[in-house]
Amino acid sequence: DAKTTQPTSMDCAEGRAANLPCNHSTISGNEYVYWYRQIHSQGPQYIIHGLKNNETNEMASLIITEDRKSSTLILPHATLRDTAVYYCIVSSYETGANNLFFGTGTRLTVIP
Amino acid sequence: DTGVSQDPRHKITKRGQNVTFRCDPISEHNRLYWYRQTLGQGPEFLTYFQNEAQLEKSRLLSDRFSAERPKGSFSTLEIQRTEQGDSAMYLCASSRGGGETQYFGPGTRLLVL
Repeated sequence: DAKTTQPTSMDCAEGRAANLPCNHSTISGNEYVYWYRQIHSQGPQYIIHGLKNNETNEMASLIITEDRKSSTLILPHATLRDTAVYYCIVSSYETGANNLFFGTGTRLTVIP
Repeated sequence: DTGVSQDPRHKITKRGQNVTFRCDPISEHNRLYWYRQTLGQGPEFLTYFQNEAQLEKSRLLSDRFSAERPKGSFSTLEIQRTEQGDSAMYLCASSRGGGETQYFGPGTRLLVL
């Protein structure tokens, strides 16, 4: 699977939008972009995923560039409970092993 | 709550002891994955099952580690002769099939003294 590059840490003011970038320049045509987050001492929580179109759900929006080499996760109104480590992962949608490679993620701190 | 449960949530053991962890996946999920996470790092893949068949093992899974999923439902991960380096969070995830979204349990935190 292709690897991703994320900033180590980011801050965001409570109530503002949090925009978390991710580079995945070696992504293959059969790979989704997944986002998970991990709040301290808990298991990773699935947020959203997409292939090439932008996606939105109740938690977040995912914007994928046209060349698919980068993406941005948007939390529209960050709250203190959104403080977590956010992982951007690319994973094939084919029926192979599909182990997720997490990397070290972006530590987002939401500031009151 | 994703529907994936793990037991126990915490385990403290002495070096050299054997420990066993259990994972109950989301009902009807065919795939079950085990990951390990050490402090400050992201989760790392250990092994996965398609129904009862163990299809892949990471090189991280030494011969002291064994995993089973005997009836294609719950899974166990056993560590024999634990070492201090085994201290970590052990995470289980499940998915409907290959290429599908993985949902994680809360993890089992192991401390080897």
